[in-house]
Amino acid sequence: AQSVAQPEDQVNVAEGNPLTVKCTYSVSGNPYLFWYVQYPNRGLQFLLKYITGDNLVKGSYGFEAEFNKSQTSFHLKKPSALVSDSALYFCAVRDIGSNYQLIWGAGTKLIIKP
Amino acid sequence: DGGITQSPKYLFRKEGQNVTLSCEQNLNHDAMYWYRQDPGQGLRLIYYSQIVNDFQKGDIAEGYSVSREKKESFPLTVTSAQKNPTAFYLCASSTYSSTDTQYFGPGTRLTVL
Repeated sequence: AQSVAQPEDQVNVAEGNPLTVKCTYSVSGNPYLFWYVQYPNRGLQFLLKYITGDNLVKGSYGFEAEFNKSQTSFHLKKPSALVSDSALYFCAVRDIGSNYQLIWGAGTKLIIKP
Repeated sequence: DGGITQSPKYLFRKEGQNVTLSCEQNLNHDAMYWYRQDPGQGLRLIYYSQIVNDFQKGDIAEGYSVSREKKESFPLTVTSAQKNPTAFYLCASSTYSSTDTQYFGPGTRLTVL
């Protein structure tokens, strides 16, 4: 069965420190992988996606994600966290054999402390 | 100003009542989606539509209905058959060719009284 796991409900980071939000996946074929961000009481915003090619994907707001096929992971990273990065982050995956449907992780709340 | 609008922002429903959530987009997107978001869970797909006058059930369609009479509009009706409708509802849209890059509306929070 296809699935996405975000093992941490919450991640706390001091402002200026690097941050990592973890995501692992399980799909039957080659995955399309995504990160979205949700600010309080708002809809989700697309951050970045991996389809093929370079394992390090760069996205919006200085975020990047590293695809690791052997570990079936797609962790979200940022070298220096900002307080404004505090939000809920969702990882999602689509099996290239499926149509339209994204499989979503449960979300990780990122808190950046000044 | 392009985007997706959802209304109302907050909605209260009495037991046994049907309610309709509005979703409108002016992005000229072919595909539209409805998701339900509950605390501690990922988004769950209710319905999606690839073109006008066509839609498919997602994982949790029971107790919900939709219509797609216009490209811009994809309203969701939460019927009395939905046993636990209190949730945050998100509408999204995408182009036909890039269905996984979805653009989301601001959401409607539905509470059953």
